[in-house]
Amino acid sequence: ETGVTQTPRHLVMGMTNKKSLKCEQHLGHNAMYWYKQSAKKPLELMFVYNFKEQTENNSVPSRFSPECPNSSHLFLHLHTLQPEDSALYLCASSLAPGQPTDTQYFGPGTRLTVL
Amino acid sequence: GQNIDQPTEMTATEGAIVQINCTYQTSGFNGLFWYQQHAGEAPTFLSYNVLDGLEEKGRFSSFLSRSKGYSYLLLKELQMKDSASYLCAVIDSNYELIWGSGTKLFIKP
Repeated sequence: ETGVTQTPRHLVMGMTNKKSLKCEQHLGHNAMYWYKQSAKKPLELMFVYNFKEQTENNSVPSRFSPECPNSSHLFLHLHTLQPEDSALYLCASSLAPGQPTDTQYFGPGTRLTVL
Repeated sequence: GQNIDQPTEMTATEGAIVQINCTYQTSGFNGLFWYQQHAGEAPTFLSYNVLDGLEEKGRFSSFLSRSKGYSYLLLKELQMKDSASYLCAVIDSNYELIWGSGTKLFIKP
C-alpha cells in the first residue's frame, strides 16, 4: 500500500465509449500525475497538477481529459479512444514538485484495453 | 535528446547477487531514482542518489557516478520475491523525471 488508490483496476471499453479513471491519494501531497505505461517503453508523463492547477500537458490527444477537483483526487476522462491507447495508466503523487529529492508515490494502475 | 539505457531483461539465481546497470544522457542532472515494480502493481520507491558513491539499504544498494553518467542497483541474497521490473529515472535540469524502460529481473531457484 503506497497511499495512492486507483479505480477501476481493469477496464475494457469500445472505441465509442466514455469512461473515467479515478485516483485518490491519502498522503497529503500537493502534486498529482498521470502516466501511461506500455510494454517495454519508458513511463510517459501525460499530465501534472500542482495545487490543483495543471502545470504540464505533454502533447496528449484531446480524447484524454484530466480533472483535478482538489489536491487529493484526480480523474482521467476517456472518450473515443483508439486500440493503441491500450496500456497501464498510472497515477502518482508527490509532496514538493520541482525539488530534487521529491519522490513520487504510485498507485497500482488501471489496465485499459480498447477494443 | 534525453536517454536512459537499461538492459531489458536479466536472470539470476536465488541467493546470488545481481547488478542492474543504468546509463543516462540528460540535459542536466539533479538526482537518480530506482523503483521496483511487481507485475500488475505500483512502482515503489527504492533509492535516490545525487552524490557519487554507494548508498546501502539492507539487501539493496545503489551506486552513482555522475562523471560517467552511470548508476547501478545491486541486489544481494536474492529472493524469489525480488522478481520484478526495476526502473531507473533521472531528474533533469528542469526537474522533470526522465524514465528508462525498466529491467525485468527473473529469479530462478
